[in-house]
Amino acid sequence: DQQVKQNSPSLSVQEGRISILNCDYTNSMFDYFLWYKKYPAEGPTFLISISSIKDKNEDGRFTVFLNKSAKHLSLHIVPSQPGDSAVYFCAASGNAGNMLTFGGGTRLMVKP
Amino acid sequence: DAGVIQSPRHEVTEMGQEVTLRCKPISGHDYLFWYRQTMMRGLELLIYFNNNVPIDDSGMPEDRFSAKMPNASFSTLKIQPSEPRDSAVYFCASSGTGHEKLFFGSGTQLSVL
Repeated sequence: DQQVKQNSPSLSVQEGRISILNCDYTNSMFDYFLWYKKYPAEGPTFLISISSIKDKNEDGRFTVFLNKSAKHLSLHIVPSQPGDSAVYFCAASGNAGNMLTFGGGTRLMVKP
Repeated sequence: DAGVIQSPRHEVTEMGQEVTLRCKPISGHDYLFWYRQTMMRGLELLIYFNNNVPIDDSGMPEDRFSAKMPNASFSTLKIQPSEPRDSAVYFCASSGTGHEKLFFGSGTQLSVL
């Protein structure tokens, strides 16, 4: 049973527009959420995170929103750039000592 | 720091052969993780170590898989015997803060023919 789901395997966006990547989770014990970005032939790299005590965290062009009641989080990229084209993984963890659970990833393509 | 270093980058082997993947974590990191990426399952945790001690290996798919961490700067993931369904990208990651901000290596692309 997948506890973290990214239902859109791919997303295509025009340069300069907003990219919205979505993630749903089922485990109510998750209290820390992260997004990782992965380029081809490279390992995932940490992008941004959010604690369950917040509903929004912003870092430059990247903003993560958390809706605990819906068990849903999203990553907004504004404005999108061609260099943002990558696979984005959502991940979640529970109490201290629990491991990260990753979603299946969403491939973002930003067209010039 | 050079980051997490994995070797080899690519491995092609025949079914039944032994495969050994290697990882050097970032110096000072206490946690080391082995992940596998496949199209069907995405990124799945196989095993992780804390201070060189295996903590959770519940993600290891079968007895054919084994992992060791003989010291703080080296870990191996071994598959013996290998099967075609083991074909995947295997990532090693390390962390100084536990399970959250992981630093991944570039991965080993394994193809078992």
